[in-house]
Amino acid sequence: DAKTTQPTSMDCAEGRAANLPCNHSTISGNEYVYWYRQIHSQGPQYIIHGLKNNETNEMASLIITEDRKSSTLILPHATLRDTAVYYCIVGNAGNMLTFGGGTRLMVKP
Amino acid sequence: SAVISQKPSRDICQRGTSLTIQCQVDSQVTMMFWYRQQPGQSLTLIATANQGSEATYESGFVIDKFPISRPNLTFSTLTVSNMSPEDSSIYLCSVVAGTEAFFGQGTRLTVV
Repeated sequence: DAKTTQPTSMDCAEGRAANLPCNHSTISGNEYVYWYRQIHSQGPQYIIHGLKNNETNEMASLIITEDRKSSTLILPHATLRDTAVYYCIVGNAGNMLTFGGGTRLMVKP
Repeated sequence: SAVISQKPSRDICQRGTSLTIQCQVDSQVTMMFWYRQQPGQSLTLIATANQGSEATYESGFVIDKFPISRPNLTFSTLTVSNMSPEDSSIYLCSVVAGTEAFFGQGTRLTVV
């Protein structure tokens, strides 16, 4: 079973920040939080990952709570091309990933 | 990072036949995985392809139905055997490089 809980779907206005929440209350100490997205008919695309510190890259920011039981992926300026299913996954570094249902993000003009 | 090439990208097959999907990686990787994504669903792990030994299958998947080869550290194949319409899915190859997993673009299989 997936170890994460995400909303099934979310909408976001183009140009605004998209904040995607994820609960992972059973995360263990050596497990990372990974975010991937899947645009229709394509393979999953890596976005970002973190262990306990907040992380930022050219695509997104990852905010992990101090107790590590939840996190938020932030797309700072969502575009129509960010419409996708976003998967929050917890797992050990370098191991296989267990996917949950993900959040279907719809960016609207 | 790792770049993965999967072949074929899509196929339409008759029931009862078999299809072999190839996964080629541009670098040597220890761990390779095969996933299935049924229509409208999330990804489900089929098996871990181990170099030099038999693949490790997840619950609900068996070697007779999904035989896997891993002849070297850059290549693997997944065969979908004796296909039925229920096997219509996207099949994805994944590798781990460092702390990240990378995915191929998938093989969209339709069984008629």
